[in-house]
Amino acid sequence: QKEVEQDPGPLSVPEGAIVSLNCTYSNSAFQYFMWYRQYSRKGPELLMYTYSSGNKEDGRFTAQVDKSSKYISLFIRDSQPSDSATYLCAMRASGTYKYIFGTGTRLKVLA
Amino acid sequence: EPEVTQTPSHQVTQMGQEVILRCVPISNHLYFYWYRQILGQKVEFLVSFYNNEISEKSEIFDDQFSVERPDGSNFTLKIRSTKLEDSAMYFCASSPGTGQDTQYFGPGTRLTVL
Repeated sequence: QKEVEQDPGPLSVPEGAIVSLNCTYSNSAFQYFMWYRQYSRKGPELLMYTYSSGNKEDGRFTAQVDKSSKYISLFIRDSQPSDSATYLCAMRASGTYKYIFGTGTRLKVLA
Repeated sequence: EPEVTQTPSHQVTQMGQEVILRCVPISNHLYFYWYRQILGQKVEFLVSFYNNEISEKSEIFDDQFSVERPDGSNFTLKIRSTKLEDSAMYFCASSPGTGQDTQYFGPGTRLTVL
């Protein structure tokens, strides 16, 4: 079983839709969770950062962590064509900054 | 807005040659990182660097790899004897002293080993 699993997509949604992106993981020691956005031929850009379980909201983005299910989600409200990118989850355990990344989900928001 | 820059954007080399990938982190950042991403695969941590020494490294970062901050602005990754499997996108990142979780990535250098 991979440490971090993420559906590669592509996920195509119409403009204005709510998008749900997910990652599952196997290592119960993970406590810090990140979501990155990566446009084609660019480096990853940090979107959201959460610690342990719960929700965090920032504008149109909401990150959720369910440690009991080893499942994290990123929701994008009112999706825009400019949100079309690959979304990467990443996570780490305490005491290390070696982040383990998912393979990314490619999102296409259609105008 | 300050950003991490990397040069070159694309490097082609022959197997067995040494390459140096260069990065200019955001000024006043204290932590520096290298990651790689093989085409179609996930981003992988290579090494972190703080206070002029390696703070963490992955099992990928073997004796063929080294990092250096030769002056106050550059951060380099050297691969001593490149292999075909070193072909990948290499990303540099930096983070401020307030926390290593806020990492700013550069645009990457695509390394092609022939």
